[in-house]
Amino acid sequence: SQTIHQWPATLVQPVGSPLSLECTVEGTSNPNLYWYRQAAGRGLQLLFYSVGIGQISSEVPQNLSASRPQDRQFILSSKKLLLSDSGFYLCAWSEKTSGGTDTQYFGPGTRLTVL
Amino acid sequence: AQSVTQPDIHITVSEGASLELRCNYSYGATPYLFWYVQSPGQGLQLLLKYFSGDTLVQGIKGFEAEFKRSQSSFNLRKPSVHWSDAAEYFCAVKTSYDKVIFGPGTSLSVIP
Repeated sequence: SQTIHQWPATLVQPVGSPLSLECTVEGTSNPNLYWYRQAAGRGLQLLFYSVGIGQISSEVPQNLSASRPQDRQFILSSKKLLLSDSGFYLCAWSEKTSGGTDTQYFGPGTRLTVL
Repeated sequence: AQSVTQPDIHITVSEGASLELRCNYSYGATPYLFWYVQSPGQGLQLLLKYFSGDTLVQGIKGFEAEFKRSQSSFNLRKPSVHWSDAAEYFCAVKTSYDKVIFGPGTSLSVIP
């Protein structure tokens, strides 16, 4: 069966510090991968998605970036964190299907607090 | 533009009572629809999905949802709520091969 991991589970960082959040998927190959952010009391905002190694699409201009160095690894980064980067970050994966009916499955999330 | 609305920000029900969470979508073609549940501090768990066929869909944890094309709705129901159902519920619609739009969520509180 497929599983998705995220780490760290929680993170407290000062403003201006760098960020690296990691997401890995097991039990599948060539998945679509997604990064979402969930601000307190709000819905999900799609940040990045990837259909393959080195292929990243950005949905929202910001000081965050994403990379996919391996097939099942998705990394969210920042060179300098802002206060507004605080939130709950969720990684998700989906299979590629010819009918496009791929369901997204979510990881446990990372709670980021920027002070 | 495609969108998903969940008119109820917060709902409180008594344990054992029935539940209906509303979801409306805006999309020109036949949508693929989902309901997810999120417990505090956790990721999202898929409750059920509708792609085609029978418009009444059964999911996990005793939930069901009904797709009504004429009303552009996909409401989630449960006949008898348990205290463990207290969580945030998200309706979502997939409108292209790669992207899903999520609603703002409905927070459910359950009174013992």
